[in-house]
Amino acid sequence: DADVTQTPRNRITKTGKRIMLECSQTKGHDRMYWYRQDPGLGLQLIYYSFDVKDINKGEISDGYSVSRQAQAKFSLSLESAIPNQTALYFCATSDKGTYGELFFGEGSRLTVL
Amino acid sequence: DAKTTQPNSMESNEEEPVHLPCNHSTISGTDYIHWYRQLPSQGPEYVIHGLTSNVNNRMASLAIAEDRKSSTLILHRATLRDAAVYYCILRDKAGGTSYGKLTFGQGTILTVHP
Repeated sequence: DADVTQTPRNRITKTGKRIMLECSQTKGHDRMYWYRQDPGLGLQLIYYSFDVKDINKGEISDGYSVSRQAQAKFSLSLESAIPNQTALYFCATSDKGTYGELFFGEGSRLTVL
Repeated sequence: DAKTTQPNSMESNEEEPVHLPCNHSTISGTDYIHWYRQLPSQGPEYVIHGLTSNVNNRMASLAIAEDRKSSTLILHRATLRDAAVYYCILRDKAGGTSYGKLTFGQGTILTVHP
C-alpha cells in the first residue's frame, strides 16, 4: 500500500459543485501539503499544515479550503468548482526535520466542466 | 524566495552520464539546494539535496559551485527509467512560513534515448 493515498484518483464534475479530495498517510509525519499542477507547469502550493492545529495558506489558496481531521488525514475542498480549477492535485507529507523530504501521493486528476 | 533557472529540456542516451544544470544566482546563505524528479503520471520524488559540499547518494550526485550560484545534478548512467522532469529548488533552512515549503519551477524535461 502507498504511504500517501489520495482519493479519488480521477473525478469529473460540473461548475458550481462542491468537491472534496482526500489524503491519508501512514508515514507518521506531522506536516501535510496540497499542491496543484497545471499541464506543462510545476507545482503550486495551495495549503499546508504543520500539525493538526496549524493550517496555512499557500500561493494559490483562493477558491479552496482544507481540513486537517487528524495527523494522518488532510482534505482539500472546492466549495464551488470552476473550470480553471481543472488540474492535477497532489498531497504530500514531510517530517519536521530541516531536510524534511517530501513524500507525494499519486495525484488526483480533477476535471470541471 | 530565491529563484532557480533550468533548461526546458535535455536529451541523453541510455547508459551515458547526464549533467543537469541549475542557476540560482540570488541564493542566500541559508538556502539548501534540493532536487526532485517527477516520473510520468506520478508525484514528484526526492532525489538529493546539499548546502555547500558536493553530495552523493544512490540515485545521483550533486555538484555545487564554490560561489553556490549554480549546481549540477549528475546521473552517472542514465536509464530509460530516469526519463522525467527534474526540478531544482531552493529551500530556506531558517524558520518561519517558508520553512518546509517547496516552490517548484517548470523544471527540465529529460529524455533518455535507448
